[in-house]
Order: sequence, then structure tokens, then C-alpha cells
Amino acid sequence: KQEVTQIPAALSVPEGENLVLNCSFTDSAIYNLQWFRQDPGKGLTSLLLIQSSQREQTSGRLNASLDKSSGRSTLYIAASQPGDSATYLCAPKGYKLSFGAGTTVTVRA
Amino acid sequence: GAGVSQTPSNKVTEKGKYVELRCDPISGHTALYWYRQSLGQGPEFLIYFQGTGAADDSGLPNDRFFAVRPEGSVSTLKIQRTERGDSAVYLCASSPRTDYGYTFGSGTRLTVV
Repeated sequence: KQEVTQIPAALSVPEGENLVLNCSFTDSAIYNLQWFRQDPGKGLTSLLLIQSSQREQTSGRLNASLDKSSGRSTLYIAASQPGDSATYLCAPKGYKLSFGAGTTVTVRA
Repeated sequence: GAGVSQTPSNKVTEKGKYVELRCDPISGHTALYWYRQSLGQGPEFLIYFQGTGAADDSGLPNDRFFAVRPEGSVSTLKIQRTERGDSAVYLCASSPRTDYGYTFGSGTRLTVV
């Protein structure tokens, strides 16, 4: 069974700081890995999808890296803004998508 | 449709009642997944459909839970004799194929009173 761990569980930073969110998973036999954003009381919004053959993926201020062999992915958010406040979920996909508990980010204005 | 649609968005039911939650996936997506999310936790897998058949229902917590996808598009998650512990947000996602990403719906918040 895939176990996904996200560290830290919560993070509070002043506006403008760069964010580093870590994800580790136990089973490296994955097709891809997705990072999602979840606002309170809302569904999941996909941020980035990294295929197992890729090392990283970028979208605007977001960059995600993947080291499949060591079971790690990192999401970097550059120059954080208050609108980035949300819970971020990492989800490696083997047979199905497995989730960690997420990192709740607060960006202070 | 443009996205995954889930109805109702909110459902309040009395303990012991039967409920149905509906998911309308993106047109053409053959894979459909149901997840359940409790407060403060990540989503937990319930069941996966590939086409009309349930390819994996290992996440269904007990036999009160059942899901169908009779024509390979819309899916219904059915919960019998609801219990207060069933209260959660039920999320549906679809994907065109195994190595593609998932698109999630906004979820159905189920509250059992």
C-alpha cells in the first residue's frame, strides 16, 4: 500500500518568501505524480502533473521536482502571495492516486 | 461537460436513511474514481471504475456502500443505513487514461444527523 507523507503539516510565511513543500512516498512504481491545491470547503485543483520519466515540471511561479527512485517530490512556490494560502496535496499515482494529509500554507500580508 | 460535476453539493440526512451521490465525469474519460475526505485529512480511495466495471472496490468501508456506472459515464455512489461516521466530503474524479492526471469535481458534503 502506498504511504504518502507531507512535511511540514503547516507553514506560515510572510508575503514574498519562497515556499518549499516536501512529499515522500513508499512505492516508487508510479505512472505520475500530481500536486493539488485545496481551498477550505472546496474541491481539488490540479497544479502540476509530473510523469514518471520527468524530473521536474514548471507552471508560472510553481516548480515541482520528482525523484522517483528515492520516493520524493518537492513543490516550490516562488515569491509567495496571500492568495497562495491553501492546503497543498501531493498524490503519486500507481494503480490509483494516493494522497498525503497535505501541507496547509498561510501567507501573511 | 467541461469539468466533473457532482450533485448534490450538500446533503443532510438522518441516521439510518439511504442516500445517492451522483458524479458526471468529463465526456470521454473512461476512468472514474470515488474518494472520501474527512476533515483535516487527505482524500481516501473508495472505488475505481474503468468503463462500466468496478476495477477496484477495495476502499469501500463496508457493504453499506455500493457504486455503479451502468453506461460507462455517470456514476452513482449509494450508501444504505447511513451512520454519523459516514459524514464527510465525497469526491469524484475522472481521467482519460492511466498515465494522465485526474480532474476532480467539487465534491458532495454529506452530513448524517
